[in-house]
Amino acid sequence: EIVMTQSPATLSVSPGERATLSCRASQSVRGHLAWYQQKPGQAPRLLIYDASTRASGIPARFSGSGSGTEFTLTISSLQSEDFAVYYCQHYDNRPPWTFGQGTKVDMK
Amino acid sequence: EVQLVESGGDLAQPGGSLRLSCSASGFTFSKYAVHWVRQAPGKGLEYVSGVSSDGTGTYYTDSLKGRFTVSRDNSKNTLYLQMSSLRPEDTAVYYCVKERINGWYDFDSWGQGTLVTVSS
Repeated sequence: EIVMTQSPATLSVSPGERATLSCRASQSVRGHLAWYQQKPGQAPRLLIYDASTRASGIPARFSGSGSGTEFTLTISSLQSEDFAVYYCQHYDNRPPWTFGQGTKVDMK
Repeated sequence: EVQLVESGGDLAQPGGSLRLSCSASGFTFSKYAVHWVRQAPGKGLEYVSGVSSDGTGTYYTDSLKGRFTVSRDNSKNTLYLQMSSLRPEDTAVYYCVKERINGWYDFDSWGQGTLVTVSS
């Protein structure tokens, strides 16, 4: 089973600042990597798929990059509604797949 | 609009069983693989199980094999998760999720979840 490791666990950012979140896979997942956002009491929402493609309706301030084992989610200018927990997930080959443990983005 | 509505979550005794259901609408259910993902209170997301569009392929996270069984009824647009030998660590919100496109891809639609509590 591939282990997904996210860092940092918590990221404190001021509104308007840039946030950079990392996700590392224990072995290559090629470009089969998704990012999700989850707010308290809500189901997760797909932000990015195939490592760098924004899902439908996702603002351009969200961007993803990487391939193989190293991936990054960048929020270029944090808005108040972006404070949330972010998860990466690989979907390489067939299931079962795995999620990272999450990065909480909170207000500095 | 895609809708996934889970049901069946409840309080169960350790060693007991529960069956979760997920009723799907707004898309051609039979053309997509669907999955279960769970989240223990205050914890992260954990992949549980998935089933191929025609029901012939089933997949489980290693730690759950033998206790949980996933199935689907395409005539009823419904996904199921039969859970047995329940343990306190199975306590979680269980989400039903749909792939963005069929063929083992990311999850673009999530239900609101159903809470399973395992406690004596």
